[in-house]
Amino acid sequence: AQTVTQSQPEMSVQEAETVTLSCTYDTSENNYYLFWYKQPPSRQMILVIRQEAYKQQNATENRFSVNFQKAAKSFSLKISDSQLGDTAMYFCAFMKHGGSNYKLTFGKGTLLTVNP
Amino acid sequence: GAGVSQSPSNKVTEKGKDVELRCDPISGHTALYWYRQSLGQGLEFLIYFQGNSAPDKSGLPSDRFSAERTGGSVSTLTIQRTQQEDSAVYLCASSLDSSALYGYTFGSGTRLTVV
Repeated sequence: AQTVTQSQPEMSVQEAETVTLSCTYDTSENNYYLFWYKQPPSRQMILVIRQEAYKQQNATENRFSVNFQKAAKSFSLKISDSQLGDTAMYFCAFMKHGGSNYKLTFGKGTLLTVNP
Repeated sequence: GAGVSQSPSNKVTEKGKDVELRCDPISGHTALYWYRQSLGQGLEFLIYFQGNSAPDKSGLPSDRFSAERTGGSVSTLTIQRTQQEDSAVYLCASSLDSSALYGYTFGSGTRLTVV
């Protein structure tokens, strides 16, 4: 079974600064996908970024980028030029590739607060 | 529809009552998922539907929980004889197919409070 660990229950950052959220996972799988989801107060989970394990290049989406270290089983999220609208819970999630690969396994989340 | 729609948005119920939570997935999405988010916890998988196949019910916490999906579209999650520990946000999601390689699209959830 896979596990996902987010070691930072809460973090804060000043507007316009950069913040990194940590995520580690445990799996015996070689092919899998990793995701970061954002959950604002509206409760709707929004996909932020996605990484395929077989790709060495780190995924980037505008101000969001990841540092994927497969050997270390680490998948951190970097948010550059933080904005007030980035305030939300952030969840790291794992999905194995192939077979019954539809289940997402989530970490417990990190509450990020962006201060003006 | 344009997104995943869940109703009601909030539900307060008395302990012992039955509740029904509804999910309307994105049109054309064949896969549908229910997750539970308890306070301070991540999301816990409950059940998965794919087309007309038998659902994966492996995450349902007890036999008080059941779900159905009619016509491959709308799904209803039913909790019988609710208990206080059932209080949580119930999130529904859908994906285009079972591979879900681009993740899911989530609804805004139903916050269930059992008093």
